[in-house]
Amino acid sequence: AQTVTQSQPEMSVQEAETVTLSCTYDTSENNYYLFWYKQPPSRQMILVIRQEAYKQQNATENRFSVNFQKAAKSFSLKISDSQLGDTAMYFCAFMNPSGSYQLTFGKGTKLSVIP
Amino acid sequence: KAGVTQTPRYLIKTRGQQVTLSCSPISGHRSVSWYQQTPGQGLQFLFEYFSETQRNKGNFPGRFSGRQFSNSRSEMNVSTLELGDSALYLCASSWKGSRQNTEAFFGQGTRLTVV
Repeated sequence: AQTVTQSQPEMSVQEAETVTLSCTYDTSENNYYLFWYKQPPSRQMILVIRQEAYKQQNATENRFSVNFQKAAKSFSLKISDSQLGDTAMYFCAFMNPSGSYQLTFGKGTKLSVIP
Repeated sequence: KAGVTQTPRYLIKTRGQQVTLSCSPISGHRSVSWYQQTPGQGLQFLFEYFSETQRNKGNFPGRFSGRQFSNSRSEMNVSTLELGDSALYLCASSWKGSRQNTEAFFGQGTRLTVV
C-alpha cells in the first residue's frame, strides 16, 4: 500500500514571498502520478499541479512548481510570489493508474498568506 | 464545461437513519470516486466506479455502498448512520482515455451531519 506524508501541518508566508511545502511518499510501483491539490475554505478541491513519475523534468504551472526526487520519493511544491488567494489547505496525493483512479492523500498543510 | 455536481450540499440526519448522496460527473468522464474527509482521518478513499462497475473499495464497513448508472452519475448510500459518519463527502470524476487523462476533478462536496 502507498503512503503519503506531509510533515508540515501549518505554514505561513508573507505576501509576494516564496514558500515550499514538503511531501514524501512510499511505494514499490515504478509508474505513478503525483498531484498537489488546493482546498480553500470553500471546500472545492482544485488541482494545482501534476507530475508523472516517468518524466524527469519537474512540472511547472505559472507560480507553482515542484521538485520531484524519484529516488528519494520526495515531491515538494514551491509557490512563488505568494498571493492572499493562495491561503488554503494543500494536499499531496499519489495515484497508481494501472488499476483504478484511487488517490492516496497526505494529511495536508494549512498555508496562510499574510498581507 | 460543467463541473462535478454533488447534491445535496448539506444534510442533517439522525443516528440509525440512512442517507443517499448523488454525484454527476463531468460529461464524458467514466470514472467516479468517493472520498470521506474528516478532521481526524483526513481524506479517505471509499470506492471507485468505472462504467457501472466497482473497481476498487476502501476500508469502510458494508454500511457504505454505492452504484453508478449508465449515464455515469453515481450515488453513495450510508445505512444505519453513526455519529462518526459526520464528514464531508467528496466525489471526483476522471476519464480513462489516455495517459494524459488522469486528473481527478472534484465536486464541492456534501456536508453530512449525524445527530
